[in-house]
Amino acid sequence: RKEVEQDPGPFNVPEGATVAFNCTYSNSASQSFFWYRQDCRKEPKLLMSVYSSGNEDGRFTAQLNRASQYISLLIRDSKLSDSATYLCVVNKGSNYQLIWGAGTKLIIKP
Amino acid sequence: DGGITQSPKYLFRKEGQNVTLSCEQNLNHDAMYWYRQDPGQGLRLIYYSQIVNDFQKGDIAEGYSVSREKKESFPLTVTSAQKNPTAFYLCASSMQANSPLHFGNGTRLTVT
Repeated sequence: RKEVEQDPGPFNVPEGATVAFNCTYSNSASQSFFWYRQDCRKEPKLLMSVYSSGNEDGRFTAQLNRASQYISLLIRDSKLSDSATYLCVVNKGSNYQLIWGAGTKLIIKP
Repeated sequence: DGGITQSPKYLFRKEGQNVTLSCEQNLNHDAMYWYRQDPGQGLRLIYYSQIVNDFQKGDIAEGYSVSREKKESFPLTVTSAQKNPTAFYLCASSMQANSPLHFGNGTRLTVT
């Protein structure tokens, strides 16, 4: 079993819809969690950190479920510009202990 | 503007040749990292450096070498010993070991 697993997609979603996807992790000792966004053939960029209490940034909501060992990302009122690959990242301690998921590809259609 | 610069963006080499990828940052970050990204896989850590003149192997260091003689610079050499060097190479930096990563725009290496 991979340490961090994501559905690769692609998820094809109409503009304006709400979309959510999960990321599961295997190490219960994991300490912190992040979502990064990566556009095609570009570098990853931090989208948001995921806190135990959940957090929201505009149209984006991230949640952590430690009991079931997954994090989720919800995007409301999706825009064409949200089309990208979303990478789940789990930190076991320091940045040299980051485990990266392979990403979920999201395509927003007009 | 502060940031991380990787060069070149595209690099083509013949098998058996060593090649060095450049990474420079002016963010005054202590920590720097090299990752490799292959299709369908998550990023994998090659080497990291937490401070000048010190670096550590990551998960897939075999066939690679680095140096950290200056805070701003962390070049990666892909040697002929690396079995599958064709990949997208990403350099990153962070202020501290637990701070968010800032990435350069990557170097796409093709070895034939």
